[in-house]
Amino acid sequence: AQTVTQSQPEMSVQEAETVTLSCTYDTSESNYYLFWYKQPPSRQMILVIRQEAYKQQNATENRFSVNFQKAAKSFSLKISDSQLGDTAMYFCAIHAQGGSEKLVFGKGTKLTVNP
Amino acid sequence: GAGVSQTPSNKVTEKGKYVELRCDPISGHTALYWYRQSLGQGPEFLIYFQGTGAADDSGLPNDRFFAVRPEGSVSTLKIQRTERGDSAVYLCASSHRRASDTQYFGPGTRLTVL
Repeated sequence: AQTVTQSQPEMSVQEAETVTLSCTYDTSESNYYLFWYKQPPSRQMILVIRQEAYKQQNATENRFSVNFQKAAKSFSLKISDSQLGDTAMYFCAIHAQGGSEKLVFGKGTKLTVNP
Repeated sequence: GAGVSQTPSNKVTEKGKYVELRCDPISGHTALYWYRQSLGQGPEFLIYFQGTGAADDSGLPNDRFFAVRPEGSVSTLKIQRTERGDSAVYLCASSHRRASDTQYFGPGTRLTVL
């Protein structure tokens, strides 16, 4: 079974600054994928970034990047140059191959970007 | 349409009633997933379809919940004898083939059981 822990229920950041959201996970599988999803008040889950566990290089998508520490089972999300539109719930999730096809999500971090 | 759509957007029902929630996935996506999101929680897996068949229904909480995908496209989640504890947002997602592919989510149906 897989578990995902997000230890920061809420965070806030000033516009244009950088913020890091934490995520730790546990799995016994050797091949897995990690995801960060954003959920604004509209409820629609939007993929922010995806990381394949077998790839050493940290994934990046424009202002979003991850710090993937495989040995520590840590997968943090860094948002640079924060924008008001980044205000949302952020969920970390894992899919482990060899088991179910489901995503397992953390409880989320509510991020507020202040003007 | 370009994305995953779900209807209705909101559903209010009375305890004991039957409800159906519909999901229309992205065209060509063979994998379809249902999740349930309670207030203040992350989504929890309910069921996964590959084509027309339910490949994994281990997340369905009890036999009041059932889902179908008869033609491998649109899916319906059916809840019998609704209870107040069923109140949640029900999310549908689809992916090209597998969960390791990106899952694209719909806007969800907010179910309220009075």
